[in-house]
Amino acid sequence: AQSVAQPEDQVNVAEGNPLTVKCTYSVSGNPYLFWYVQYPNRGLQFLLKYITGDNLVKGSYGFEAEFNKSQTSFHLKKPSALVSDSALYFCAVRDTGGTGGSYIPTFGRGTSLIVHP
Amino acid sequence: NAGVTQTPKFRVLKTGQSMTLLCAQDMNHEYMYWYRQDPGMGLRLIHYSVGEGTTAKGEVPDGYNVSRLKKQNFLLGLESAAPSQTSVYFCASSHGQGSSGANVLTFGAGSRLTVL
Repeated sequence: AQSVAQPEDQVNVAEGNPLTVKCTYSVSGNPYLFWYVQYPNRGLQFLLKYITGDNLVKGSYGFEAEFNKSQTSFHLKKPSALVSDSALYFCAVRDTGGTGGSYIPTFGRGTSLIVHP
Repeated sequence: NAGVTQTPKFRVLKTGQSMTLLCAQDMNHEYMYWYRQDPGMGLRLIHYSVGEGTTAKGEVPDGYNVSRLKKQNFLLGLESAAPSQTSVYFCASSHGQGSSGANVLTFGAGSRLTVL
């Protein structure tokens, strides 16, 4: 079975400071990992994904994420936060192998990012 | 470039009433999904479809039915609405497996349903 955990319900950061939103996962095979962002009263928008290759993935709006297989983590990062980054962030995982392989991604509960001016 | 369109955007129902949410996508995606979003629960998969004429149950299918008669449309039905079905519903679509765009979901703007 596949699962994903976002241990923080809310992350607060000052504008201009670096931000990290944490995500850990559990799969039986190899993971495909994703980050999505949801602005108020909107649907989710794709930010970035890890499929294979370089462990550091760059995405939209200056965000990046680092895949760490030994720690089963895929934390979202940005060097300098903007007030406009304030939103709900979702991590998602798909297990690509083993007996628990699935074509359907599982989403975390979401982390609310608040960037203070 | 419409993407994924959900109708209606808002609806208020009384307990026991029925309704259908419509999802339409214009990207020729194979896969389509219905999720519900509740505070503190994140996104939970209700039903999904991997192609025209096929549907499958997700994590929380009880009380819902779906149909995919045309590739571009995915309908979510509530036969007898209950207050526990008050939620925001999101439709999404994606390419099928084997495509370079596989696995990335495109979401609609959501449908807010209140059951009194």
